[in-house]
Amino acid sequence: RKEVEQDPGPFNVPEGATVAFNCTYSNSASQSFFWYRQDCRKEPKLLMSVYSSGNEDGRFTAQLNRASQYISLLIRDSKLSDSATYLCVVHGSYQKVTFGIGTKLQVIP
Amino acid sequence: EPEVTQTPSHQVTQMGQEVILRCVPISNHLYFYWYRQILGQKVEFLVSFYNNEISEKSEIFDDQFSVERPDGSNFTLKIRSTKLEDSAMYFCASSDLGGQGYYEQYFGPGTRLTVT
Repeated sequence: RKEVEQDPGPFNVPEGATVAFNCTYSNSASQSFFWYRQDCRKEPKLLMSVYSSGNEDGRFTAQLNRASQYISLLIRDSKLSDSATYLCVVHGSYQKVTFGIGTKLQVIP
Repeated sequence: EPEVTQTPSHQVTQMGQEVILRCVPISNHLYFYWYRQILGQKVEFLVSFYNNEISEKSEIFDDQFSVERPDGSNFTLKIRSTKLEDSAMYFCASSDLGGQGYYEQYFGPGTRLTVT
């Protein structure tokens, strides 16, 4: 099983739609969780930290389920500018960091 | 807004040569990282660094790689003898300890390394 697993997509959704991505991780000792966004040939940019209590920032909501070892990202009212690759990132102990392959989102006019 | 900077933006080198990639992390951050991303593939962790020591390194970070913080601002990645398969985008990141014990990382724009 991969350490961090994501559906690579692409997810093609119309503007205004709601879209959800999941990510599973294999190491139950993982300590912190993040969603990053990466535009083509650019650096990853922090989108949200994913706390045990969940986290919401405007149109974006992230959830963590430690028992099932997955995290999710929900995007409401999709904009064209949301088109990007969304990276699931997991921190283990001692600063070891694992990225998922990323899920590509394309928002269509 | 503070940002991580990296130089050069593109480095072309011949196989077997040494390269040094440079990064200036955000000034009050204490944790530093190097990653690489081969074109079309996922971001891969190389090494993390704290308090002038390597905290963690991946299987990729073998004896050909080394990191250094030579002064109070720069953080460097050295590849001693480059191979064709080292061609990739190399990202530097830095973080501080944020809320709920999370290390939120901020990435530089990357150095594209091409080994010929």
